[in-house]
Order: sequence, then C-alpha cells, then structure tokens
Amino acid sequence: EDQVTQSPEALRLQEGESSSLNCSYTVSGLRGLFWYRQDPGKGPEFLFTLYSAGEEKEKERLKATLTKKESFLHITAPKPEDSATYLCAVQRRSNYKLTFGKGTLLTVNP
Amino acid sequence: NAGVMQNPRHLVRRRGQEARLRCSPMKGHSHVYWYRQLPEEGLKFMVYLQKENIIDESGMPKERFSAEFPKEGPSILRIQQVVRGDSAAYFCASSPGVGREETQYFGPGTRLLVL
Repeated sequence: EDQVTQSPEALRLQEGESSSLNCSYTVSGLRGLFWYRQDPGKGPEFLFTLYSAGEEKEKERLKATLTKKESFLHITAPKPEDSATYLCAVQRRSNYKLTFGKGTLLTVNP
Repeated sequence: NAGVMQNPRHLVRRRGQEARLRCSPMKGHSHVYWYRQLPEEGLKFMVYLQKENIIDESGMPKERFSAEFPKEGPSILRIQQVVRGDSAAYFCASSPGVGREETQYFGPGTRLLVL
C-alpha cells in the first residue's frame, strides 16, 4: 500500500526565516509526486508536480525537489501570506488516484 | 477560465436523510475524482470517473455511497441514509485526461454536517 509521511506536522517561522518541509513516500511505480497548498475552508491549490528523482521546480519563494524516497519543499524568506497547510501526494503509474500525507501546517509570523 | 465548481458549499442533513453533492469539472476536463477529508485526517480517495463510466471506486464505502458522471451535467456523489460519521469535507478534482498531464485541480469542497 502506498504511504506518504509528512514532517513536521506543524512549523512556526518568523517572516524571512527559511526552512524546509519533508515528504517521505513509499509507492509502487511512481508516476508523479504533487505538492498542494490548502488554506482553511478551501480546496487544495496545485503547486508542483515532480516526475523523476533529481527534478526541481520553483515558484516564487517555493522550491520543490525529489529523490527516490522523499521530496522537500523549501521556503525561502517566507511571508505571512505563505501560512497554510502544505500537502504532498503520490500517484502511481498504474492508476490515477492520489495518496496524500496529512500535511504540514505552516505559520509565518510577521 | 472557471475552476472546478462544487455545490452546495455547506450541507446540513439529519441522520437517515440523503445527501447529494455536485461537481462541475474545469472546462475541457473529462476526468473527475472525489476525495473525503475527515477532521484531523488527510484527504482520502473515494472514486474516479470519466463520462458515463466509473473507472475506480476502490475508496468508496460499498454501502450507501454512489457516484455518477453523466454525459450531460455535473458529477454527483450521493450518500443515502447519512450517519454522523459521514460528516466531513468532500472535495472534487478534475484533470484533462490527455497525455502525461494528469494534474488534478480541486474544487472548494462541500462541507457536510450530519446532525
């Protein structure tokens, strides 16, 4: 069975304090690893898809990387508006459903 | 370009009633997925549909739950005889279903409360 573990469960940062979120996964035949952002009371908002080990993608203050066992979401100089729950999910080659981790709740204080 | 639309956004039902949740995918998307998010738990896959076909319903409870995606109109997730344990946020996602691009884009969700 596919498994996704995210750490830490919660992270508090000061504005401008860079850090990383971790997503460890076990999946049989990875098609892609996805990062989403979820604000309270809203649906997940797509951020990145990574398909193979060594791949990196960037968007504003966020950078996602992928190895064969884990993915990192690096947040550089975060702002309060980056506060949200960040979700990681994996998708198998053999089907299309996403298996999600429980998320990391990020709070960025001004 | 409108995103995934879900309605209602909030739904209150008494035990034993039926709940109908609707989802309109993004324009040009032919694949629809339903997920459930229970308090303090992650998003869990329920069912994957294409027009007029259920592709994978491995995550959907065998009883009381059903889903459809007709040729015309939105996808419907139907829960019969709701119980308190059905209280959750239900999210719909859609994807293009073409080539390698299978990113799923999520709607705002329907929050179901069973009294």
